[in-house]
Amino acid sequence: DQQVKQNSPSLSVQEGRISILNCDYTNSMFDYFLWYKKYPAEGPTFLISISSIKDKNEDGRFTVFLNKSAKHLSLHIVPSQPGDSAVYFCAAATGNEKLTFGTGTRLTIIP
Amino acid sequence: DGGITQSPKYLFRKEGQNVTLSCEQNLNHDAMYWYRQDPGQGLRLIYYSQIVNDFQKGDIAEGYSVSREKKESFPLTVTSAQKNPTAFYLCASSIVWGSSTEAFFGQGTRLTVV
Repeated sequence: DQQVKQNSPSLSVQEGRISILNCDYTNSMFDYFLWYKKYPAEGPTFLISISSIKDKNEDGRFTVFLNKSAKHLSLHIVPSQPGDSAVYFCAAATGNEKLTFGTGTRLTIIP
Repeated sequence: DGGITQSPKYLFRKEGQNVTLSCEQNLNHDAMYWYRQDPGQGLRLIYYSQIVNDFQKGDIAEGYSVSREKKESFPLTVTSAQKNPTAFYLCASSIVWGSSTEAFFGQGTRLTVV
């Protein structure tokens, strides 16, 4: 039972344009959400997070939006750069519980 | 430099052999985790430890064992009982157990069983 879903396995975006990565979840008890970026053969690195009391969090080129009614999370990267090419995982947690990860979306930035 | 170190980066073992993956952190984090990554399946939690001398099964603990005798170390043993051990294994740690802190990951160990 996949509680966190990333329905797009891959996404290609032109350099300089906006990249939008999506994530849906089914557990309404999730109250904390994170995005991780992963390069091949490396561990994921934390990008940005948002708690359920907010609907937007911004950090430089990265913005995460949370729509609790739709149980939907998105990561916006603008402008997209070649170094942004990686696999992006969203993750969610509830209260004092473990993180549940999505299946990942491979983002390719086209120069 | 503070961080999480996994060793080795690549590991080959024959079928039927137990193998232990190392994970060390010098971040003074209480919580540590082991995940497994397979293509198309994201990261799945094998075991976690909230504090030294304590550990709990995650979602896919069968065929694995861990120990947490020291705060900085959380080795994972892949036993011969694990039916499909070939995978990319990731160790992580966080300051405390719970959802309000992000996990920091090591570089991973790719285990291939032949």
